[in-house]
Amino acid sequence: DGGITQSPKYLFRKEGQNVTLSCEQNLNHDAMYWYRQDPGQGLRLIYYSQIVNDFQKGDIAEGYSVSREKKESFPLTVTSAQKNPTAFYLCASSPRDRGTDTQYFGPGTRLTVL
Amino acid sequence: GQSLEQPSEVTAVEGAIVQINCTYQTSGFYGLSWYQQHDGGAPTFLSYNALDGLEETGRFSSFLSRSDSYGYLLLQELQMKDSASYFCAVEGPTGANNLFFGTGTRLTVIP
Repeated sequence: DGGITQSPKYLFRKEGQNVTLSCEQNLNHDAMYWYRQDPGQGLRLIYYSQIVNDFQKGDIAEGYSVSREKKESFPLTVTSAQKNPTAFYLCASSPRDRGTDTQYFGPGTRLTVL
Repeated sequence: GQSLEQPSEVTAVEGAIVQINCTYQTSGFYGLSWYQQHDGGAPTFLSYNALDGLEETGRFSSFLSRSDSYGYLLLQELQMKDSASYFCAVEGPTGANNLFFGTGTRLTVIP
C-alpha cells in the first residue's frame, strides 16, 4: 500500500535536547512538506522540498532543520533553539503537478517537551 | 501575505445541510482547497476549486467566487461521522504548491 509514514506517533523529550522526526513516503511524490499544528489551530508550514537535495523555509522555520537526501525521506529536526516545540507535527507530500493542490498527509507525531 | 477567515465552530443536526464559509486574501491566487481532519488524525483532501462555480463530490460540494475572494464547503445529509474540523487553504505566493491553511471550522453534528 502506498502512503506516508511518520514515526514515532508520540515522542517525549527533555528541554534542550534536539529531536528528529521521521517522514517516509512511497508515493513517488517529488514534493514534501512539514507542518506544525497547535491545539485548535490550523497548520503552519515549517519547511518544504520540491526535489531531492533542495528545500525551502516556510512560515515558521526558526528552530527547525531538515534534509532531503532521498526522494522518499524528509526528516525534521526540532532543535533546542525552538522556543515552544510541544505540538502536533504533520508531514505531507504531493506530486508537485499544479492544478489540484492535493497533499497527502501522514498520521503525525505528537511531540511533548518536558 | 495571506489570510483566511472561517467560522471557528458550527453545529448542525444529523441529516441536515451545513455550509462552511471561507474568505481569503492572497497574492497570486491559484485555487481554494478544503481538508477534513478528525480529532487526533491527519487532514484528508476533500475538494479543490480553481475556477468560479460549484464542484460536487458525493455529499460534499465546494463553491468559489474569485471576484469576491470567497468560497464555501457544503455538506449535505449530515452524518455523525462528519463531526470534524474543516480547513480551507490557498497556495503560497512562491508557486511551489505549498499551502497556507485557515484556522479551521469545528463542525459538531448532533442527533
